[in-house]
Amino acid sequence: GAVVSQHPSWVICKSGTSVKIECRSLDFQATTMFWYRQFPKQSLMLMATSNEGSKATYEQGVEKDKFLINHASLTLSTLTVTSAHPEDSSFYICSAALAGGLGEQYFGPGTRLTVT
Amino acid sequence: GENVEQHPSTLSVQEGDSAVIKCTYSDSASNYFPWYKQELGKRPQLIIDIRSNVGEKKDQRIAVTLNKTAKHFSLHITETQPEDSAVYFCAARSTSGTYKYIFGTGTRLKVLA
Repeated sequence: GAVVSQHPSWVICKSGTSVKIECRSLDFQATTMFWYRQFPKQSLMLMATSNEGSKATYEQGVEKDKFLINHASLTLSTLTVTSAHPEDSSFYICSAALAGGLGEQYFGPGTRLTVT
Repeated sequence: GENVEQHPSTLSVQEGDSAVIKCTYSDSASNYFPWYKQELGKRPQLIIDIRSNVGEKKDQRIAVTLNKTAKHFSLHITETQPEDSAVYFCAARSTSGTYKYIFGTGTRLKVLA
């Protein structure tokens, strides 16, 4: 149980375009989902926390207009990178948690974004 | 702000030896401390966790100790094997509204055969 999927697993896009990444909890309802970014050889950096049906909480320094997060259902959250630039190239990982975030976080397999 | 320091950043051990990774957290109210193993290009995998009401937890070759007073927690891997080679991250769960994890900077463990 507690499986989280992400789609796509990798994506290449041109500079200036937008990319949407989906995070799904397959066998449980996740009231809270977290979005992380990970650069090569670095730690996971939390970008934002999303709760179903409400606005996401963004970490300091993360542009909410550039990284749009939608958590419309208890099993799906999406991250849209708008007007992507090469510096947005990274590994994006989501996690889903039960009980408003108090439960264990279950991580998705990640999405590798390359912006050319 | 909330912070988790992790040491060492790299660690090489001979197969069969023990490995110890240490973390220090800043938020004294943190109450949950998971450890993750991440292989290149893969998702982090939970290998062990500990809650603040427990001082030590063991699962086969892996153990975690917690010193709440000093705000330290450590991962101990005994009888290391080549397949233990990976990056290990500690984390502390925030007690603020979002219950987010604050991750350490990671330790790259190499087990030499």
